[in-house]
Amino acid sequence: QQQVKQSPQSLIVQKGGISIINCAYENTAFDYFPWYQQFPGKGPALLIAIRPDVSEKKEGRFTISFNKSAKQFSLHIMDSQPGDSATYFCAARVNSGYALNFGKGTSLLVTP
Amino acid sequence: GAVVSQHPSRVICKSGTSVKIECRSLDFQATTMFWYRQFPKQSLMLMATSNEGSKATYEQGVEKDKFLINHASLTLSTLTVTSAHPEDSSFYICSGSTGGGQPQHFGDGTRLSIL
Repeated sequence: QQQVKQSPQSLIVQKGGISIINCAYENTAFDYFPWYQQFPGKGPALLIAIRPDVSEKKEGRFTISFNKSAKQFSLHIMDSQPGDSATYFCAARVNSGYALNFGKGTSLLVTP
Repeated sequence: GAVVSQHPSRVICKSGTSVKIECRSLDFQATTMFWYRQFPKQSLMLMATSNEGSKATYEQGVEKDKFLINHASLTLSTLTVTSAHPEDSSFYICSGSTGGGQPQHFGDGTRLSIL
């Protein structure tokens, strides 16, 4: 059972555009929501993460928006670059020491 | 910081062989390590969670006698796929965490191909 639902499955954005990936969850016990970036043949790398006590977190070109009441969170990549082309996974975790529940991933292609 | 090294990166072997994959935290002490499996173009599926010095906790449907996990130290965990068969071919990824709400840091994965 997929505890974190992610959309879209794939996304094509022009260079300089904004990439938006959305995730939704049901388990209100989740208290940590990271986003990972994965290149082919590599493990996921932590991009940015948020906890439910804030509604937005920004790090450089990457922003997480979090809507606790709707149980949704999203990743925005501003000024998208071809080097951002990768698969992005959202995830959620109940508590420290517990494993991450991953979304199914979004394959992002940023065209020149 | 927070580097996890996984070895080997790729292994190809015959059916029936046992394969050991190592996962090392290079610059932190991983109180908890996780093992995931990822099929092509799919998400990461948790196989098991291990705490240093304790037996691993396996997810439902994962055979603990087939996927042996050892977490004998705070910097090393191993996954042994015993008597591997073609259906075990996959991308295996480990991650480590210091616990206490800290993030998980992932290795670069091991591509296992069973002929």
